[in-house]
Amino acid sequence: EVQLVESGGDMVQPGGSLRLSCAASGFTFRNYALSWVRQVPGKGLEWVSTISGSDATTYYTDSVKGRFTISRDNSKNTLYLQMNSLRAEDTAIYYCAKPRLSTTRVDSFDIWGQGTMVTVSS
Amino acid sequence: DIVMTQSPDSLAVSLGERATINCKSSQSVLSSSNNKNYLAWYQQKPGQPPKLLIYWASTRESGVPDRFSGSGSGTDFTLTISSLQAEDVAVYYCHQYYSTPQSFGQGTKLEIK
Repeated sequence: EVQLVESGGDMVQPGGSLRLSCAASGFTFRNYALSWVRQVPGKGLEWVSTISGSDATTYYTDSVKGRFTISRDNSKNTLYLQMNSLRAEDTAIYYCAKPRLSTTRVDSFDIWGQGTMVTVSS
Repeated sequence: DIVMTQSPDSLAVSLGERATINCKSSQSVLSSSNNKNYLAWYQQKPGQPPKLLIYWASTRESGVPDRFSGSGSGTDFTLTISSLQAEDVAVYYCHQYYSTPQSFGQGTKLEIK
């Protein structure tokens, strides 16, 4: 069974840091680009970041550039999101998501994790 | 950046009736190289992650009931549920993956009338 399991969400003060993890199973992890998508509870979805499978090229939405770093460890089948200089507006459920096809990062997301909650508050 | 706008924001439909949700993109998401629309639809129920329903604007994901269909091209798209079932109560999102940053519509909440 293809599965993504996020962890690492917590409550943190503004300006703090957090590292999210996404453990993958059931597919050839190194072949797939993977993404983080976030959602303020009760609100819409926002794409955050993508890392390609082939050369680990990274992509970010403007609001997190310079603060968040996406990375992957293909030996551990795990995706990461290092979040620094956190702001109240980063408060959300963070999902990792897998594209349908292994050949491209430009694709719809067929598998999502259950999400991990990040709360930034003093 | 491409902005996705859904209409309506909420919709109430009787069981067995048709539900129609619209999505408009601020720029075309149709690729001239492969003639594909980079547009997907998702269903999200409370406490769950989104579930992929439709990709390439009109291709149904495996296991999705055939009462769900997608149509449209360029900048205007529609998700249709031909005969609403109780289990279809959810929020529906469109998603463009044509360009970075990818973007989603604001969501349409579908309820039973």
